[in-house]
Formats: sequence, C-alpha cells, structure tokens
Amino acid sequence: DAGVTQSPTHLIKTRGQHVTLRCSPISGHKSVSWYQQVLGQGPQFIFQYYEKEERGRGNFPDRFSARQFPNYSSELNVNALLLGDSALYLCASSYVVGSVQPQHFGDGTRLSIL
Amino acid sequence: DAKTTQPTSMDCAEGRAANLPCNHSTISGNEYVYWYRQIHSQGPQYIIHGLKNNETNEMASLIITEDRKSSTLILPHATLRDTAVYYCIVRVAYTNAGKSTFGDGTTLTVKP
Repeated sequence: DAGVTQSPTHLIKTRGQHVTLRCSPISGHKSVSWYQQVLGQGPQFIFQYYEKEERGRGNFPDRFSARQFPNYSSELNVNALLLGDSALYLCASSYVVGSVQPQHFGDGTRLSIL
Repeated sequence: DAKTTQPTSMDCAEGRAANLPCNHSTISGNEYVYWYRQIHSQGPQYIIHGLKNNETNEMASLIITEDRKSSTLILPHATLRDTAVYYCIVRVAYTNAGKSTFGDGTTLTVKP
C-alpha cells in the first residue's frame, strides 16, 4: 500500500510569495496533520484536519492555512513568505482522530525561501 | 500531553544492542508512549508504542518501567542503517491522534 505522499519534494520561493503544498494520506486514513521542521529541531504541529474540518491548530500565524478535500487529501498554504519559513514541511495521516494507532508521516516538502 | 526528556546523542557499535532511554516522569495513566525515528532527509518513521506492558515488534522492543515514568527503546542488533534521530512522544490515548508533540530527540550513531 502507498504511504503518505507529498508534493512537491523541493520548492524554492522568494520572500513575499505564497506557496501551496499538497498531501495524500494513506488509503483509509481520514485525518491529516501538518508539521513544520526547522533544521536541527523536532517537528512542530501546525494543523490537523478531520472530515474536512480543522480539529487543531498550533502556534503559527494566520499566514498559514490549510484545507482538506472530500477524498481526504490536504493542502497547506503559506502567504507572504518570510525567510524563517524555510523548513521541511511534513504531512502525517491517521485513521481517525480518537485512536491509539500512530500517525504515519510522508517524506516532506523542503521549502527554501530566498 | 506529558513532556519527555531524551539524551541529545548516543553511539552504538554495529551488531550490538542500542538502548535509547526516555524520561516521562509526568506521564498520566491514560497516556501512551510512542517512538519514531527520522533518517536524514526522510519523514519520521513509526517504530513502536505501548501503555504499560513491554512491547516487541520486528523493528524494536519497548520496555516501560513499572511506575511508567521512563522507557527504553531497544534495537537488538544495530546496523549502520539505524543511524537516525529517535523521538519519544507521549500522547493521551484515544484523543487527537493527529497531534504529536516532538522534542529534539536522540541522535543515534551506529559505528562500524
């Protein structure tokens, strides 16, 4: 079975631009979460979506937004990019919100801001 | 979710067991312990999880102390491919499977 897939794998943007990152969860998984991982640190939670509704949000500015589609895939949007937004953006999926089962992660999108 | 503490780095000889400790002294009764690892340039990979009993799968064993305040991930025969950052996470059972709080993890280096 395919795991969590993310696109693109790498992206270069300049300050002030916006970006859209995409994620397809594992088949049958209905919950998608987004994380930001700055070099040398652990992943930081940004959003969780379940059944197309936002179910959790981390400490990130309103420039960050996301949505989930009827097929459970998801997009992360970041507006007015800053140099500090350079990071690995990870998507993770899980079957449902309330579960003991773990999240499974994709390999991320490496975003570089020039 | 409870906070976890892990050593910053550890070394292990190839073929020997790697024992990675994690302290979670404020863990509550309904919180599970999860372990992930992240190999360079990849996303975190799920390894194992448990509540209070020791667990074993094809990748590793998880030993949780009786008071549940700490745990140890054991890789029985470490290989060079096990070199990675290992994260210990504690999460309340049956709630919000979509949010995991990561620390900075332990960088395990397996040496020939």
